[in-house]
Amino acid sequence: GDSVTQMEGPVTLSEEAFLTINCTYTATGYPSLFWYVQYPGEGLQLLLKATKADDKGSNKGFEATYRKETTSFHLEKGSVQVSDSAVYFCALFPNQAGTALIFGKGTTLSVSS
Amino acid sequence: GAGVSQSPSNKVTEKGKDVELRCDPISGHTALYWYRQSLGQGLEFLIYFQGNSAPDKSGLPSDRFSAERTGGSVSTLTIQRTQQEDSAVYLCASSAYRDTGELFFGEGSRLTVL
Repeated sequence: GDSVTQMEGPVTLSEEAFLTINCTYTATGYPSLFWYVQYPGEGLQLLLKATKADDKGSNKGFEATYRKETTSFHLEKGSVQVSDSAVYFCALFPNQAGTALIFGKGTTLSVSS
Repeated sequence: GAGVSQSPSNKVTEKGKDVELRCDPISGHTALYWYRQSLGQGLEFLIYFQGNSAPDKSGLPSDRFSAERTGGSVSTLTIQRTQQEDSAVYLCASSAYRDTGELFFGEGSRLTVL
């Protein structure tokens, strides 16, 4: 079945460092891809999305490009801030009727000043 | 309300007891999902409601788990005869659009089974 694999954390960075969180997927069709973020004490919220190959999703300085050839959707940010400390989830939507979002296990990011 | 509301936020129960977790989705959202978040396991899909269609129960881990959605709005997740492995955060999400991945999540109900 469809699945998502993301790098295990925790990822610990200093402020202004470059961030990459790897995500790869397995899907039989043409899924949409998402990154969700869970800040401490808050619910998950959508960070960015891409619905087809070569699309780039971006939000709050984060970017991810839908790479069909490598089945990847890596999350990047050029300069992280302490406020970016959170758990990041890569997710896949199979684009078939009656299906649910499939999540990776999450990657914890901790940014220190 | 402004967002997805879940209650209780925390529940501690004894093994063997039944528990009910409630989700109030964003007004007008037709799709409602329940997920379970366990430490190190990510988010596990449990059940999906879409409008008046029959729910997708394919993620429920055992027959001790059930859910209903009344009037196309509020949903209740019931766990009967709780076990220690049921301890987790139960997340509810709703969506305005059918069959998309754009979900709005509540803050979850943390269940601890002693």
